[in-house]
Amino acid sequence: NAGVTQTPKFRVLKTGQSMTLLCAQDMNHEYMYWYRQDPGMGLRLIHYSVGEGTTAKGEVPDGYNVSRLKKQNFLLGLESAAPSQTSVYFCASSYSTSVGDGYTFGSGTRLTVV
Amino acid sequence: QKEVEQDPGPLSVPEGAIVSLNCTYSNSAFQYFMWYRQYSRKGPELLMYTYSSGNKEDGRFTAQVDKSSKYISLFIRDSQPSDSATYLCATEILTGGGNKLTFGTGTQLKVEL
Repeated sequence: NAGVTQTPKFRVLKTGQSMTLLCAQDMNHEYMYWYRQDPGMGLRLIHYSVGEGTTAKGEVPDGYNVSRLKKQNFLLGLESAAPSQTSVYFCASSYSTSVGDGYTFGSGTRLTVV
Repeated sequence: QKEVEQDPGPLSVPEGAIVSLNCTYSNSAFQYFMWYRQYSRKGPELLMYTYSSGNKEDGRFTAQVDKSSKYISLFIRDSQPSDSATYLCATEILTGGGNKLTFGTGTQLKVEL
């Protein structure tokens, strides 16, 4: 099925460890986004990309890095994980600035940092 | 103050009830207004969007926007247990750097038999 695929689905990290979350979309979308979702805080934008080779900071970028080497993939990296980064991470993509297209979200990655 | 405020609930209603979900926003520059539905352990999915003040209907769902009071509503008629989910309102500003959404925290809805 076409859509947004996130890997892994679950992960437990120790403080200070690093990891990369992978997002892949097969809809030829230009724009891709990484959000985190926390209780009482809603979805907050971490980083986003408006095309291959481009990235930009969102609302809560500190402690994260991203790369968009290929149009279909958007990687989110945690260099030195902290307990404050325990969250559910969602990747999303969109075709254009046309709001009617909406965002297509992945099913999320549940990350726990101990 | 958050740009988009939403009562987190939980809201519990009997099957067949009319549900009213609401959000307020602070930035008058917001141009588009959306409702997303998120089932447990899933990503959000777009339910409806509106641009101007007024109502937009899609089956049992009606989205309403009042720009003068910065108020967004979603009404669900004849609610079903399958409507049990978290509903997120979102607003959008289109910029040259790509469209970016601002989400409310979500209202958890449970429709009981």
